[in-house]
Amino acid sequence: SQQGEEDPQALSIQEGENATMNCSYKTSINNLQWYRQNSGRGLVHLILIRSNEREKHSGRLRVTLDTSKKSSSLLITASRAADTASYFCAFYSGAGSYQLTFGKGTKLSVIP
Amino acid sequence: DVKVTQSSRYLVKRTGEKVFLECVQDMDHENMFWYRQDPGLGLRLIYFSYDVKMKEKGDIPEGYSVSREKKERFSLILESASTNQTSMYLCASSSWTSGSYEQYFGPGTRLTVT
Repeated sequence: SQQGEEDPQALSIQEGENATMNCSYKTSINNLQWYRQNSGRGLVHLILIRSNEREKHSGRLRVTLDTSKKSSSLLITASRAADTASYFCAFYSGAGSYQLTFGKGTKLSVIP
Repeated sequence: DVKVTQSSRYLVKRTGEKVFLECVQDMDHENMFWYRQDPGLGLRLIYFSYDVKMKEKGDIPEGYSVSREKKERFSLILESASTNQTSMYLCASSSWTSGSYEQYFGPGTRLTVT
């Protein structure tokens, strides 16, 4: 299956700054999801954006989706040390697919 | 809240041993998944199940088998553990009947094969 590609692979910022992560994919999708993984733990679902949506907000999270460019971005505003984690985009590749394809992730470090 | 539990957080096994990793979810989800996660390779799907006694191969099923005898439980079996199966194993569940596409993950099992 085609993995998504996240960019950058690692990001280090100061507390209070904004963090932007990007995801590109190659297949047609119905929706795209973002997950967070704290070190050594399972993944937690953050937000889902459908293919007919261009932007979605949830608290300090803002997700955009550009289906023409096959890309999505996750913006975390006013970052906190607790936001330190790896962030993954994920999507179902193909109609009727049960298989959620994950990108390789962006490792975010927020320095207090 | 959805809860997905895995039988062990850390496991150390010897080469050639048979290894069982168990996953239990309490939300009556029909779909369950096993992934392995390795540095630089991301999450890769090993097997998934969309119903009791049903299973489908993912991207890397070689060396693994699964069992789903009850809806809430999905087991991953390493018939003869090898060192290249040292990894973090993540179980997940989901339900599409509610129109939700998100997956709920367990805390993971870090398996070391020596």
